[in-house]
Amino acid sequence: GENVEQHPSTLSVQEGDSAVIKCTYSDSASNYFPWYKQELGKRPQLIIDIRSNVGEKKDQRIAVTLNKTAKHFSLHITETQPEDSAVYFCAASNGQNFVFGPGTRLSVLP
Amino acid sequence: ETGVTQTPRHLVMGMTNKKSLKCEQHLGHNAMYWYKQSAKKPLELMFVYNFKEQTENNSVPSRFSPECPNSSHLFLHLHTLQPEDSALYLCASSQEVRANTGELFFGEGSRLTVL
Repeated sequence: GENVEQHPSTLSVQEGDSAVIKCTYSDSASNYFPWYKQELGKRPQLIIDIRSNVGEKKDQRIAVTLNKTAKHFSLHITETQPEDSAVYFCAASNGQNFVFGPGTRLSVLP
Repeated sequence: ETGVTQTPRHLVMGMTNKKSLKCEQHLGHNAMYWYKQSAKKPLELMFVYNFKEQTENNSVPSRFSPECPNSSHLFLHLHTLQPEDSALYLCASSQEVRANTGELFFGEGSRLTVL
């Protein structure tokens, strides 16, 4: 089955700097890659997703890139703000179900 | 309000107790899910329901028993749990059960502590 790895497990950045979180997946049939953000004590919420027919997608300060050949995808957050502090989960899906990565705890330091 | 509501938000139970978690979605979705979230572990899919029919059971111990009386409500019945079952239990829904068609909408979760 699918296996999703995520790095780093924790990440601290200064406010205004960029943050990058990387995920790798094992199933070449996976074709949908969402990213979820979970603030402390809150529910996970979708922040951006990408499908395998696209190499990059951007939404304001957030972007996701996908390398199908290498089976990895990354989340990029620019101009980080304190409200970006949360746990971020990547996931991969081949249409059967989502397999989530273990999460990255991002701390944005003022 | 998000559209996916879970109760109770917190639950403490002994190993011999029987309790239930409830999930309700107001989004008109056809698929509902139970996930287990433990510290420093990926979200673990437990059960999937499509149009109130169970389509997946990810080798979950029988001390967890799901029930889906209709496409808007989902329960997780708990009995004779173990301390390692302590975790945040998240309910989610999506428009379709095929996981690459769109977003999962999560509830706030039920924090379970087993003593």
